[in-house]
Amino acid sequence: QKEVEQDPGPLSVPEGAIVSLNCTYSNSAFQYFMWYRQYSRKGPELLMYTYSSGNKEDGRFTAQVDKSSKYISLFIRDSQPSDSATYLCAMNGAGGFKTIFGAGTRLFVKA
Amino acid sequence: DAGITQSPRYKITETGRQVTLMCHQTWSHSYMFWYRQDLGHGLRLIYYSAAADITDKGEVPDGYVVSRSKTENFPLTLESATRSQTSVYFCASRTGGSSGELFFGEGSRLTVL
Repeated sequence: QKEVEQDPGPLSVPEGAIVSLNCTYSNSAFQYFMWYRQYSRKGPELLMYTYSSGNKEDGRFTAQVDKSSKYISLFIRDSQPSDSATYLCAMNGAGGFKTIFGAGTRLFVKA
Repeated sequence: DAGITQSPRYKITETGRQVTLMCHQTWSHSYMFWYRQDLGHGLRLIYYSAAADITDKGEVPDGYVVSRSKTENFPLTLESATRSQTSVYFCASRTGGSSGELFFGEGSRLTVL
């Protein structure tokens, strides 16, 4: 079993839809939770960062962490064609130097 | 330019040949990482380095060698390339601590025939 599970999709939605992306994990030591966005033929870039449980909002993006369920989510409101990319969840533990990534979910937003 | 650069961006080689992928960062970040990205597996850590002359294995180190004689450079060598090493390789760096953001290069796409 992988430490981090993420549905690879692809996920196709119409412009303006609310998108929900999710990951589950098995290591209860994880404390830092991130979402990276990767455009085609580019390197990943940090999109959202959350420490421990709770919500964090940044514009159209909201990240949620539920440590009791070992479940993290990324919501995208009013999705745009420019949001079409692969979204990777990532996490690591306190004192841990190695970031563990999910498989990534490919998202297509249709105009 | 400031940032993290990888070379070559594209490489085709044959089974059994040695290949070196280069990575250079201008931020003086302590930590540097090599990941490979394959469909269905996401990013898997090959090797990482906490500082010059300090390296350690990640999740999938077999068949790879790294060195870090200078803080800014972290080359990855495939000593005898195999077809299973066909992949996209990403170098990343970050400052110290477990919460630091990873900064990625643009990737090196390697095909082993």
